[in-house]
Amino acid sequence: EVVLTQSPGTLSLSPGERATLSCRASQTISSRFLAWYQQRPGQAPRLVIFGASNRATGVPDRFSGSGSGTDFTLTIARLDPEDVAVYYCQEYGSSPLTFGGGTKVEIK
Amino acid sequence: VQLVQSGAEVKKPGASVKLSCTTSGYTFTNYFIHWVRQVPGQGLEWMAMVSPGVGSAYPQNFRDRVTLTYNTSTSTVFLELSSLTSDDTAIYFCARDQVSRRYVIPAAAFDIWGQGTAVTVSA
Repeated sequence: EVVLTQSPGTLSLSPGERATLSCRASQTISSRFLAWYQQRPGQAPRLVIFGASNRATGVPDRFSGSGSGTDFTLTIARLDPEDVAVYYCQEYGSSPLTFGGGTKVEIK
Repeated sequence: VQLVQSGAEVKKPGASVKLSCTTSGYTFTNYFIHWVRQVPGQGLEWMAMVSPGVGSAYPQNFRDRVTLTYNTSTSTVFLELSSLTSDDTAIYFCARDQVSRRYVIPAAAFDIWGQGTAVTVSA
């Protein structure tokens, strides 16, 4: 089972600042099978990034994903108040599919 | 494309619960449907996936308690979870694969989600 560890637990930034979220895998995984989801309070998750670096339909271009091997990053270039949410990474190349514990992004 | 889930449930410990996820807007048999749960205040946990005509998969910790079924005439997937305990109190989401595939693993990212069903297990 691939264990995904996300850091930091909480990120508190001002509007317009850059947010960098980390996801570390317990073993090497293919970047083809790494996704990021955004979950706003009281809502279902929403796909943001798939295949480590591909934006999902309708996702603003301030969101970008990168990484390979065991280290992956989600970057929000200029934080907007609507980006307040918990972000989860997910590995879907092997069974069981696993999620990281999440990073909460707050606005200062 | 839409996934609409059944309403909230309250169950006693030891009982079973059966949840539904009704899909529309695409060819039902072409995509996997997944179930993911979220205990209040906690993260996401993958429970199972199924696609008619392809197969299904479950993580080890749910294999003995989860039953997946589907009805192709109504484009609906059902999740039944048995031997409920208070630890099963959670929001249960269904979600669809982003791409159509004819193999179980590797899977795909989840691009469409249902609204979630709250399940409360309490004596």
